[in-house]
Amino acid sequence: GQNIDQPTEMTATEGAIVQINCTYQTSGFNGLFWYQQHAGEAPTFLSYNVLDGLEEKGRFSSFLSRSKGYSYLLLKELQMKDSASYLCAVRDPVAGNKLTFGGGTRVLVKP
Amino acid sequence: DVKVTQSSRYLVKRTGEKVFLECVQDMDHENMFWYRQDPGLGLRLIYFSYDVKMKEKGDIPEGYSVSREKKERFSLILESASTNQTSMYLCASEGRSSPGQVNTDTQYFGPGTRLTVL
Repeated sequence: GQNIDQPTEMTATEGAIVQINCTYQTSGFNGLFWYQQHAGEAPTFLSYNVLDGLEEKGRFSSFLSRSKGYSYLLLKELQMKDSASYLCAVRDPVAGNKLTFGGGTRVLVKP
Repeated sequence: DVKVTQSSRYLVKRTGEKVFLECVQDMDHENMFWYRQDPGLGLRLIYFSYDVKMKEKGDIPEGYSVSREKKERFSLILESASTNQTSMYLCASEGRSSPGQVNTDTQYFGPGTRLTVL
């Protein structure tokens, strides 16, 4: 089976750093995606990792360890507009290369 | 930029009605998907299609069917709507958006249709 776990909710202060963890157990692995979803809106693509290590894109970074089945999304210099849900998704070639999504982590940024 | 549009943002239907949700993408992507999103359950795949006239069941296909007559259009059909199908429905199109952005196929989502079945 496939299982993707991430915390339900996190709260952080404007200007701070927040790390959202994602652990996965899938039959196969062909990449991990992070999406951002503001309330009432569509998810939008943030980052993609297929090899171990850190991918940095401005204030956002994503890390992957395939041996541990673990990823995190790091949000630096938090802004109020970063309040959103963050979805972790794994592409599994054994499951037809479809994406399996975690339940999402709601991040609330406080002033 | 990839554009995925859905026919309605909000829809209210009665139990037993037939419901059509339409999705159109403008990037010539071959792969299209229908998900529903419910609090605490995340995104769950209903049906997907990798080509015109082709459809595959996802994880929760019961009570739904789909149609892909043209490459750009993927329709989700609720044959007889029930209250447990009240949900947010998201369509996605998958492919490469622009060269160099990311070296893999990525899913691009429409704005969603919030369906309420009374």
